[in-house]
Amino acid sequence: AQTVTQSQPEMSVQEAETVTLSCTYDTSESNYYLFWYKQPPSRQMILVIRQEAYKQQNATENRFSVNFQKAAKSFSLKISDSQLGDTAMYFCALIQGAQKLVFGQGTRLTINP
Amino acid sequence: GAGVSQSPSNKVTEKGKDVELRCDPISGHTALYWYRQSLGQGLEFLIYFQGNSAPDKSGLPSDRFSAERTGGSVSTLTIQRTQQEDSAVYLCASSLDRGLRDGYTFGSGTRLTVV
Repeated sequence: AQTVTQSQPEMSVQEAETVTLSCTYDTSESNYYLFWYKQPPSRQMILVIRQEAYKQQNATENRFSVNFQKAAKSFSLKISDSQLGDTAMYFCALIQGAQKLVFGQGTRLTINP
Repeated sequence: GAGVSQSPSNKVTEKGKDVELRCDPISGHTALYWYRQSLGQGLEFLIYFQGNSAPDKSGLPSDRFSAERTGGSVSTLTIQRTQQEDSAVYLCASSLDRGLRDGYTFGSGTRLTVV
């Protein structure tokens, strides 16, 4: 079975700082996809960034980047130059083969002015 | 439509009553999913529809929960004889095929409160 673990329930940083959210996972498959979703108070889950396991290059999307360590089964999210609008719950998720998207427990990130 | 639409946005019901939650997925998305998110928790998979295949009901917590998807589009999640532990946000999502490459697109959810 696939599992996703986020060990940081809450994090808080000052605006403009860089913050890294941790995620580890377990899967028996060699090919899978990893995602980070953002959930602001509006409740809507927003896709932030995705990574294909067979690609060694780390994905980047503007201020968001990942550190994908396949052997260690680690998939952390780095947010550079953090903004007040980045305040949200962040969920790490994994999908493989015929399975459904499996989510971690989330990290509540607060960006302070 | 442009996004996944869920209704109602909020629902308060009395314990023991039945409720229906509606999801209108993105046009052309073949797969539709229901997840439950309890207060401050992650997302718990409930049920999955893919095209004309039989739905994957493996996540439904009890036989009080059921869902249908009519015409391969709109889906309704029904909870019978609601209990207080059913209070949660119910999120619907849709995807092209299995969502392996692009993930799922989510709606804004229905917050259900059972009093």
